[in-house]
Amino acid sequence: NAGVMQNPRHLVRRRGQEARLRCSPMKGHSHVYWYRQLPEEGLKFMVYLQKENIIDESGMPKERFSAEFPKEGPSILRIQQVVRGDSAAYFCASSTGGNTEAFFGQGTRLTVV
Amino acid sequence: AQSVAQPEDQVNVAEGNPLTVKCTYSVSGNPYLFWYVQYPNRGLQFLLKYITGDNLVKGSYGFEAEFNKSQTSFHLKKPSALVSDSALYFCAVRGNSGNTPLVFGKGTRLSVIA
Repeated sequence: NAGVMQNPRHLVRRRGQEARLRCSPMKGHSHVYWYRQLPEEGLKFMVYLQKENIIDESGMPKERFSAEFPKEGPSILRIQQVVRGDSAAYFCASSTGGNTEAFFGQGTRLTVV
Repeated sequence: AQSVAQPEDQVNVAEGNPLTVKCTYSVSGNPYLFWYVQYPNRGLQFLLKYITGDNLVKGSYGFEAEFNKSQTSFHLKKPSALVSDSALYFCAVRGNSGNTPLVFGKGTRLSVIA
């Protein structure tokens, strides 16, 4: 059973471009969470999705950021018109919900130049 | 709203000594509590969780944590630290009502010195 797979591992974008981060949850997991981690900072919750539905997006910036988790395929975190402040590590986690633990991917390190 | 506080940014301990990494939480209702560890340039690895039952929870790599409801704490402990335990440790909480995400503390960097 493969773990949570994120790709790409590293992504470099110029200011103003779009960044698309992909996350394939563990097999059997229908709950996906996205987090952002800045250097020397903790994990900041962004969005929680459950197959085709956004459950909680309270941590997501209102502009330029969007997330989806379609019926088929990976979850996508999309950042439009990236700025230098978007440079961070973005982690995806998945679970079966309820009181179960979430399993994390290796992260995508986004660098905006 | 749920929240987690890890009051220490850094904990230093000598190899072979016991270690404690502190965590307090705030949540409506009964909490689900978790500890994760992160090594450099890696994702988070699950260590242990408290859902219900015994207040002392045992997890991976010899770690354990004690749930204290009156003090709203869930401190991580290990009787004898190893140099390889040096990493970033995160405490997390989720409320037990509805679909709520895991909320993490800022993390505590543990350094075990030989």
